[in-house]
Amino acid sequence: QVQLVESGGGVVQPGRSLRLSCAASGFTFSRYGMHWVRQAPGKGLEWVAVIWYDGSKKYYPDSVKGRFTISRDNSNNTLYLQMNSLRAEDTAVYYCAREQIGPKLDYWGQGTLVTVSS
Amino acid sequence: SYSLTQPPSVSVSPGQTASITCSGDKLGEQYACWYQQKPGRSPVLVIYQDNKRPSGIPERFSGSNSGNTATLTISGTQAMDEADYYCQVWDSDTSYWVFGGGTKLTVL
Repeated sequence: QVQLVESGGGVVQPGRSLRLSCAASGFTFSRYGMHWVRQAPGKGLEWVAVIWYDGSKKYYPDSVKGRFTISRDNSNNTLYLQMNSLRAEDTAVYYCAREQIGPKLDYWGQGTLVTVSS
Repeated sequence: SYSLTQPPSVSVSPGQTASITCSGDKLGEQYACWYQQKPGRSPVLVIYQDNKRPSGIPERFSGSNSGNTATLTISGTQAMDEADYYCQVWDSDTSYWVFGGGTKLTVL
């Protein structure tokens, strides 16, 4: 069965960096686009980044562009999110999700909490 | 940038029909998805391509999309359907993915 397991969250000071990982299993990882979506405490879903199946294209909303970098290792079935220059407003649960033709996000991980605080 | 607007809350009595709307400019020209999220849980896809249900999603969930509005309809609403619901589209102009602000469905 499809599984997505995020890790790497924690408490970090403003201005510092953090890297999240998402371990994928149960499907051919290299055939799917992958996303990061976040949810601030008590707030709605916010799309953070997408990477094509082969890593050739990446897109970000303005809120994280230039600070966050999505990447993937298809040989190890792992998705990453490098987050630099973190701000208090980046505090959220970060989910990785698989993209399917539709387009739609058909599987989501359980999320990992990132808290940006001094 | 493209945006989607949802009502913050919708209430429905058990067994009745709940309708949750999602508005955006020319939304009907794009495919809309809907996700259900229960407290402390990850989102679950309930509708894609406007009106298709993934396997395992009950038939009482349906969707439509026309003009500037997409609608998620839950027929014979059950207590277990109480959750937050989010609409989502892919903006082909920017390649960005956009979520609505979410609607809290209360079954009472």
